[in-house]
Formats: sequence, C-alpha cells, structure tokens
Amino acid sequence: DAMVIQNPRYQVTQFGKPVTLSCSQTLNHNVMYWYQQKSSQAPKLLFHYYDKDFNNEADTPDNFQSRRPNTSFCFLDIRSPGLGDAAMYLCATSRETGGANQPQHFGDGTRLSIL
Amino acid sequence: AQKVTQAQTEISVVEKEDVTLDCVYETRDTTYYLFWYKQPPSGELVFLIRRNSFDEQNEISGRYSWNFQKSTSSFNFTITASQVVDSAVYFCALSEALSGNTPLVFGKGTRLSVIA
Repeated sequence: DAMVIQNPRYQVTQFGKPVTLSCSQTLNHNVMYWYQQKSSQAPKLLFHYYDKDFNNEADTPDNFQSRRPNTSFCFLDIRSPGLGDAAMYLCATSRETGGANQPQHFGDGTRLSIL
Repeated sequence: AQKVTQAQTEISVVEKEDVTLDCVYETRDTTYYLFWYKQPPSGELVFLIRRNSFDEQNEISGRYSWNFQKSTSSFNFTITASQVVDSAVYFCALSEALSGNTPLVFGKGTRLSVIA
C-alpha cells in the first residue's frame, strides 16, 4: 500500500499559470519534504516542514511556496511557472526521533510539464 | 560543507555479473548518516539502506552488500549476480545527525543498465 501519495502523477500547465501539487501520507510522520529533480540530476531540496515549522532552503526561488494544513497533507504551489520549472517533484516524509536520522520515504513523484 | 561524489555516471553490465557502485563523501561532522536510494524508470525513490558513522560493519541483504570505509570516506554498494530489474539510477546520500530533520545531500547518481 502506498504510504506517500502524490497526485497527479503527471501535470501539464501553461507558462505563468499557477499550479498546485499535492502530497499525502499515511505514516503519521512529522517531517515532510519537497524536492525538485530535473532530468538526469539529483533531487534538490526545496523546503521541508517539521510539524508546522516551515524551513526554506536558501536558494529556493520565491515562485515556490508550500502549505501544510495538517499532518497528512502538504502542497507545493508554483505561482508563475516558467519553462525552467519543468521537472519531477518528489515529496518525502520522515519521522524525527530525537536525533536519529530516520530514512526518508518518497512518493512516486509528479512530473510537471510547462507548455 | 557536505558533498557526495558518485564518479560513475553510467554503468552497463551483462546479467549475472557483479557490479559495484562507488560513493565518496565529505563532511566535517563526526556524526552523520549515509543512505542509498534506488530510482527505477517509474520515478519513485526507494530507500535501500541507512548507515550511521559509528557503525562500520559491512552489511549484506540478499544480493546487495555495502562496504563502509571511514578511512577513505567511502560507502560503496555491490550488487551480486545482477538482474535486469536492477536497472535504475542509484543515489548515495549523506545527512548530518544534529537533528532528525536535516536534509539529505545527494550525489548525482549512477545509472545502472543490466542487459539480458
């Protein structure tokens, strides 16, 4: 059974048209992450939530925002997508346990195309 | 600064051959975690192993084995008797252990193709 679920699997949007990607989890993990992975590159962390605390990576463009309304759901909002934002977006979760860095569990990803 | 280097961009092997994927890391932390993930063509990242910096025991899981050598800052991954289903991109990753939600630093990945 899928534990980190990303919808949709494929998303097409127009240049400049806002788009939202969603992620839900059944693991009850307190940390949720969003990564961007461009073709043939490693995943790059955009931001993460530790419970309700939002942590933005320094080089994440302002165009990217995130919301976490509850433990189970996390959204990635791209306000004005450019052609350079076409990528696979990966959501991951982990359980913070007092310093022991637990593995991150990834969803299947959403592949975003920009027309 | 943390860094993970996977020098092999692509490897091709014939089925049943053994193959080793190299991973070299840099960190100033004395406590850290190392990970391997597999990314098949379908796109999801599948967790394979986590190793903390104090545990240098090698690990074997079926056809997979990992060799952690702190002296050379390496955490290599060997697949024995490779199969076509092993074809994927494999990522090595590192994180500090100061708290449980520090981000992963990924290497650029090694694309493994296993040919029947």
